[in-house]
Amino acid sequence: DTEVTQTPKHLVMGMTNKKSLKCEQHMGHRAMYWYKQKAKKPPELMFVYSYEKLSINESVPSRFSPECPNSSLLNLHLHALQPEDSALYLCASSQEGGTPYEQYFGPGTRLTVT
Amino acid sequence: KQEVTQIPAALSVPEGENLVLNCSFTDSAIYNLQWFRQDPGKGLTSLLLIQSSQREQTSGRLNASLDKSSGRSTLYIAASQPGDSATYLCAVKTSYDKVIFGPGTSLSVIP
Repeated sequence: DTEVTQTPKHLVMGMTNKKSLKCEQHMGHRAMYWYKQKAKKPPELMFVYSYEKLSINESVPSRFSPECPNSSLLNLHLHALQPEDSALYLCASSQEGGTPYEQYFGPGTRLTVT
Repeated sequence: KQEVTQIPAALSVPEGENLVLNCSFTDSAIYNLQWFRQDPGKGLTSLLLIQSSQREQTSGRLNASLDKSSGRSTLYIAASQPGDSATYLCAVKTSYDKVIFGPGTSLSVIP
């Protein structure tokens, strides 16, 4: 099974709401990633978790808060977002961090901030 | 700082043509290079992965090459089909888990 799942598929939230995005993989991968993709732009790396520890934070605003409760699950908690945060949020996993292993991507969550 | 570019930005070809997409990167210290396909509003589908020690990978009608010393990769699509229409992205993986994407090539295959 080479699948990464993400829920929800679509999310509309107001600027005062708190919501969470969820990502799950059951491939035994130990590295997981969050990317943000704006329309007609390539994905941009936000966070990397390696062995359930945050290893990379690409200077992402604190209104985005990642969490890795276990090796299969990755959450992205959202609070006080701005309309410009509307984007496709992609999760990926890889067998191990810091290695040439392939990344597998989920289908993404389409987020709209009103 | 690693930068990745792709040429052309958009390409329209008649069905059945062979075509080449180009990807360039500025720093040859990469772990691997991966080609993805993305349909509008969807996630990324991995097409081919080339490790830094490899020169070429093939899957069906797709062939990707890597010339690390010159910072170039090409994706060759043989006998294009309308179902190949999508955006094609290349991505290089550097040390410390940084994956940097190119801007993509939007491909349209006309029946």
